[in-house]
Amino acid sequence: TQLLEQSPQFLSIQEGENLTVYCNSSSVFSSLQWYRQEPGEGPVLLVTVVTGGEVKKLKRLTFQFGDARKDSSLHITAAQPGDTGLYLCAGAPELYNFNKFYFGSGTKLNVKP
Amino acid sequence: EPEVTQTPSHQVTQMGQEVILRCVPISNHLYFYWYRQILGQKVEFLVSFYNNEISEKSEIFDDQFSVERPDGSNFTLKIRSTKLEDSAMYFCASTIGWDSTNEQFFGPGTRLTVL
Repeated sequence: TQLLEQSPQFLSIQEGENLTVYCNSSSVFSSLQWYRQEPGEGPVLLVTVVTGGEVKKLKRLTFQFGDARKDSSLHITAAQPGDTGLYLCAGAPELYNFNKFYFGSGTKLNVKP
Repeated sequence: EPEVTQTPSHQVTQMGQEVILRCVPISNHLYFYWYRQILGQKVEFLVSFYNNEISEKSEIFDDQFSVERPDGSNFTLKIRSTKLEDSAMYFCASTIGWDSTNEQFFGPGTRLTVL
């Protein structure tokens, strides 16, 4: 079951470019999390968005939660090679509270110097 | 900084054997999870656990799987009779609270290889 659809799956850009990654669902989520995962390691939490329409900034990363709490986006400004990695969105549908947690399939970002 | 730990980092087993994957959640956390990630695929929820009971489990978590909190610190995942398709990274996670600001902290994972 693909509860969370992420796009694009792969993104290769030059250093300094901007990019946006999308996370969409037909279900309402109590909150959505964005993680970054390095090869062979566990996901590391970047941010949690909770309120519909919420925008959170983490240095050059901007996260937005859709008004209906069904989608989210991650925007990176002036990408750097250090941003290279796998970005995952995840959350628990409101129906399940926090008993059952779903991950998107991820966006593999490669930033070329 | 407190962290979730997992052992072993890599487990190789023969098909049909039982394996136990171990996790030590962050000490004041109350909610625990197991996930798996088959190579090249997405992270998949297996089970959530609270107050010594399974809260929710996915369709992957069949009768071959079980979880236990045998003492105050460990949280284990047992696979009774491993299959080739059980080969994956298994991640444990824990969280302190069960609300909309839920932040799960993940362990480094155990790579299970079933031969």
